[in-house]
Amino acid sequence: DVKVTQSSRYLVKRTGEKVFLECVQDMDHENMFWYRQDPGLGLRLIYFSYDVKMKEKGDIPEGYSVSREKKERFSLILESASTNQTSMYLCASSLRREANNEQFFGPGTRLTVL
Amino acid sequence: GESVGLHLPTLSVQEGDNSIINCAYSNSASDYFIWYKQESGKGPQFIIDIRSNMDKRQGQRVTVLLNKTVKHLSLQIAATQPGDSAVYFCAEKGNTGFQKLVFGTGTRLLVSP
Repeated sequence: DVKVTQSSRYLVKRTGEKVFLECVQDMDHENMFWYRQDPGLGLRLIYFSYDVKMKEKGDIPEGYSVSREKKERFSLILESASTNQTSMYLCASSLRREANNEQFFGPGTRLTVL
Repeated sequence: GESVGLHLPTLSVQEGDNSIINCAYSNSASDYFIWYKQESGKGPQFIIDIRSNMDKRQGQRVTVLLNKTVKHLSLQIAATQPGDSAVYFCAEKGNTGFQKLVFGTGTRLLVSP
């Protein structure tokens, strides 16, 4: 089975802190994604990557950056956390860049910024 | 547990009933569709997918129907069980070639024994 793991289930940070959310997948998937999920808004794409060292902005990239130094790992970085970044963050991966493949999700990280 | 959507449409059914969850999608050029299930406190879990060249696909206890004329997708769950209680949402992929999915906001399914 595909496994997508996220470094923390719950995280509490203070405004202005730098925050790292880590995601690892173990099935050699090319594509990786970061979403945030908020009540009433569904899943919104922050950034995605289809290869090592490649990244593309999603629909809401402001306030975030990403890093993909290894194929299996995709990190989301909040340079200076703000209270409006309190959310559930979900990482996902899928097999190939140009194919109709389902995305496999991690368990999510509930981030609270105080 | 945590709620992933405080104001979601809710479908309440009795155990053993068949459930139908609907989704209207936005892009007539979308060529791939997925249904996900999300239980409280967990990440979304793949249920079933369908490509735009099909209008029906069946899995174990689940069936997805696609009506491209009216841009409508439905998920049918047979003999619904309490363990099916979750938020269900559809996702569509445009035909641009890359794996960018657009997600619906979801429907909460409540199954009572």
